[in-house]
Amino acid sequence: GAGVSQSPSNKVTEKGKDVELRCDPISGHTALYWYRQSLGQGLEFLIYFQGNSAPDKSGLPSDRFSAERTGGSVSTLTIQRTQQEDSAVYLCASSFGGVWGETQYFGPGTRLLVL
Amino acid sequence: SQQGEEDPQALSIQEGENATMNCSYKTSINNLQWYRQNSGRGLVHLILIRSNEREKHSGRLRVTLDTSKKSSSLLITASRAADTASYFCATTGYALNFGKGTSLLVTP
Repeated sequence: GAGVSQSPSNKVTEKGKDVELRCDPISGHTALYWYRQSLGQGLEFLIYFQGNSAPDKSGLPSDRFSAERTGGSVSTLTIQRTQQEDSAVYLCASSFGGVWGETQYFGPGTRLLVL
Repeated sequence: SQQGEEDPQALSIQEGENATMNCSYKTSINNLQWYRQNSGRGLVHLILIRSNEREKHSGRLRVTLDTSKKSSSLLITASRAADTASYFCATTGYALNFGKGTSLLVTP
């Protein structure tokens, strides 16, 4: 079946603009995760959705970052007033049940460049 | 924050040789996973080893876990050019805590 998909693949924006990144998880997966990968910081957890529970936002670096998951499926990560340090690859993953230590399946990522 | 730390940061070998990557972590774990990433894009799950396991095999991959030393190793035997990628260990809660990875280059 289809894997996790993300769009756009690449996004170039100007400092101060807002951007939206989209993730379509694997059908039937109840858990969805966002990560960020940058040269200086490696792979960082951002946010985790599990079913209808309140998301775990503990990894979001600032209040400029927010994410939604509509209907328990598609998720959108929004970065407001982008800064150059937001440049990174944003990776989305999903897993079947969201239980502790479960295998996660990753999308190809969105490469964001803030000029 | 990073939980795992891979070693070495970069490794270059020839096809047919074995590649060994090590990972150290800081806190107690339930399991540890290894992932591969090609060209800075999506990660692919390779293998999961539980805290009560000491060794696990999957094809050409062999993973060991020493919870007393808080370390794990990934061995790729008879490497191929297609194994060129970055390899990450990740300790697991609900989210994954990744190390910074080992960049492996396998030359023909």
